[in-house]
Amino acid sequence: DAMVIQNPRYQVTQFGKPVTLSCSQTLNHNVMYWYQQKSSQAPKLLFHYYDKDFNNEADTPDNFQSRRPNTSFCFLDIRSPGLGDAAMYLCATSREHGVDTEAFFGQGTRLTVV
Amino acid sequence: SQKIEQNSEALNIQEGKTATLTCNYTNYSPAYLQWYRQDPGRGPVFLLLIRENEKEKRKERLKVTFDTTLKQSLFHITASQPADSATYLCALSSSASKIIFGSGTRLSIRP
Repeated sequence: DAMVIQNPRYQVTQFGKPVTLSCSQTLNHNVMYWYQQKSSQAPKLLFHYYDKDFNNEADTPDNFQSRRPNTSFCFLDIRSPGLGDAAMYLCATSREHGVDTEAFFGQGTRLTVV
Repeated sequence: SQKIEQNSEALNIQEGKTATLTCNYTNYSPAYLQWYRQDPGRGPVFLLLIRENEKEKRKERLKVTFDTTLKQSLFHITASQPADSATYLCALSSSASKIIFGSGTRLSIRP
């Protein structure tokens, strides 16, 4: 039944050591989003894909990269994690680009940087 | 820059009462406004969407209003229950853009 799956649920990484978070979907949705959420804050959009078109937010640090090799999968790469990157990372999908449709979220990956 | 404000960080009400949460926005003309529920340590879950040309939307005990003149949405939960305790997020989108979120209101319903 799971529609948007994020792996792992919890990730511990060392300061400066590259880490990859993954997201898969069974909904065949065109749009995939990556959000960063820190405690008691709004989910902050990092980037999104409309099909294969990549859209980076202006204030997303270069340290964050993303790949979408096919419709079902999307990856978030953090090249050199800092302590400030510790957060919940949320993947979401929507059928179309903000048009009359809701976002479906995964359970999130809680990233700890040590 | 675009800004979404939700009225209070936390709201505490008695079971059975109506909870009313507020979402205000500036520097934006959204076509759609959405409300999500988020439980601790989980991803948000969609509740309701309302379009800019709709004044009100209902779903079971939930009601959402959207006033594009005031740039405000109200989210109501009637006959509130302890199980309704969660953080509620307001989100905005337009016809060709991403979805942006407010920081949420943490709602607690006491028995």
